[in-house]
Amino acid sequence: DTGVSQDPRHKITKRGQNVTFRCDPISEHNRLYWYRQTLGQGPEFLTYFQNEAQLEKSRLLSDRFSAERPKGSFSTLEIQRTEQGDSAMYLCASSLLGFTDTQYFGPGTRLTVL
Amino acid sequence: AQSVTQPDIHITVSEGASLELRCNYSYGATPYLFWYVQSPGQGLQLLLKYFSGDTLVQGIKGFEAEFKRSQSSFNLRKPSVLWSDAAEYFCAVGAGEYGNKLVFGAGTILRVKS
Repeated sequence: DTGVSQDPRHKITKRGQNVTFRCDPISEHNRLYWYRQTLGQGPEFLTYFQNEAQLEKSRLLSDRFSAERPKGSFSTLEIQRTEQGDSAMYLCASSLLGFTDTQYFGPGTRLTVL
Repeated sequence: AQSVTQPDIHITVSEGASLELRCNYSYGATPYLFWYVQSPGQGLQLLLKYFSGDTLVQGIKGFEAEFKRSQSSFNLRKPSVLWSDAAEYFCAVGAGEYGNKLVFGAGTILRVKS
């Protein structure tokens, strides 16, 4: 069990650029979640996948955000035309299928939009 | 909608003293409740969780929490704090159809005086 990994750990970009983050879940986990955490706040749910199907998206996830999980393994989160308000820590978590199963979080990707 | 309130932004305790971190939730049915800890540069780590049954839940690192339905509370406690417990603590409630979408409070930063 190597845990949830995220890449990159830090990303600095200029406003208007596109960025893509990757999350590798724990290998046998069917569910994968994305959360966003801004300074001084708790994480906020963005979206989640069960295998390759995206089952729910938060209204926080504007049209500039897209997430994929091809083949039900790793996931990518892309932000198009970044804005300064997108600056945050993007967290990925994974879990098994049961509703009581723990979500294990990765270390996060810190995005800074200049 | 489900929500979580952590009334204390910062708490400072002396090493060896007891600790209680407060958490109040808003949820119509029986809630799924969690406490996570986040250390700088580390991912969120689950301390304990409550789904049903005994209202006093034991977790890792000597932490426990008590679910009180009448007060809509799920306070985290530890009888004797260590210097290494300094971190940010988040209470969360499971939301959505399957309770697997976590709604977090804003967090409480714990400082430990040696």
